[in-house]
Amino acid sequence: DIVMTQTPLSSPVTLGQPASISCRSSQSLVHSDGNTYLSWLQQRPGQPPRLLIYKISNRFSGVPDRFSGSGAGTDFTLKITRVEAEDVGVYYCTQAGQFPYTFGQGTKLEIK
Amino acid sequence: EVQLVESGGGLVKPGGSLRLSCAASGFTFRHAWMNWVRQAPGKGLEWVGRIKSNTDGGTVDYAAPVQGRFTISRDDSKTMLYLQMNRLKTEDTAVYFCATSSSTYWGQGALVTVSS
Repeated sequence: DIVMTQTPLSSPVTLGQPASISCRSSQSLVHSDGNTYLSWLQQRPGQPPRLLIYKISNRFSGVPDRFSGSGAGTDFTLKITRVEAEDVGVYYCTQAGQFPYTFGQGTKLEIK
Repeated sequence: EVQLVESGGGLVKPGGSLRLSCAASGFTFRHAWMNWVRQAPGKGLEWVGRIKSNTDGGTVDYAAPVQGRFTISRDDSKTMLYLQMNRLKTEDTAVYFCATSSSTYWGQGALVTVSS
């Protein structure tokens, strides 16, 4: 199984400041079709997960442009340029290129 | 508007069975590959399984912890996704989400509690 490791697991951030979450996979996520099926999800308290970023760097419909994704191979990053109060929650990276699909442990973003 | 609505959750004894349903609307369900994902209380996300569209063969894949006990199926005429759970264990206690392929859309989840 591909293990997804996120750092940090907790991220206290001041409103208006940037935040960054790292995700490392135990093996390359480049699929045989040339795509890399690495996504980022946000889960606000009491809510289901919500897709933010797909295929490394593509923002999903309606996602604010303060969210961005980058990376390649086994190392990926989610960045928030200026954290807002509504960004509080847990962020997960996930890979859907190889069975079983796997998730990172989650990174809890909280406001200082 | 895309909607996924799970139902059928509840309390069941170890060794028992339960069937979850997911009603889909707002997109072309018959073309969609669908996932079940679960989340134990206070824990992270765990993929349960995936079913391809029937036009892509309808193949189902399962995570190891549920292989042989859980069955995913779909009824395209009713735009419904199902998760039949047999021989339930206490460690299956979780909120179960249905989601479209690549985690694009998620339902609100259904709580399954396995306890004596």
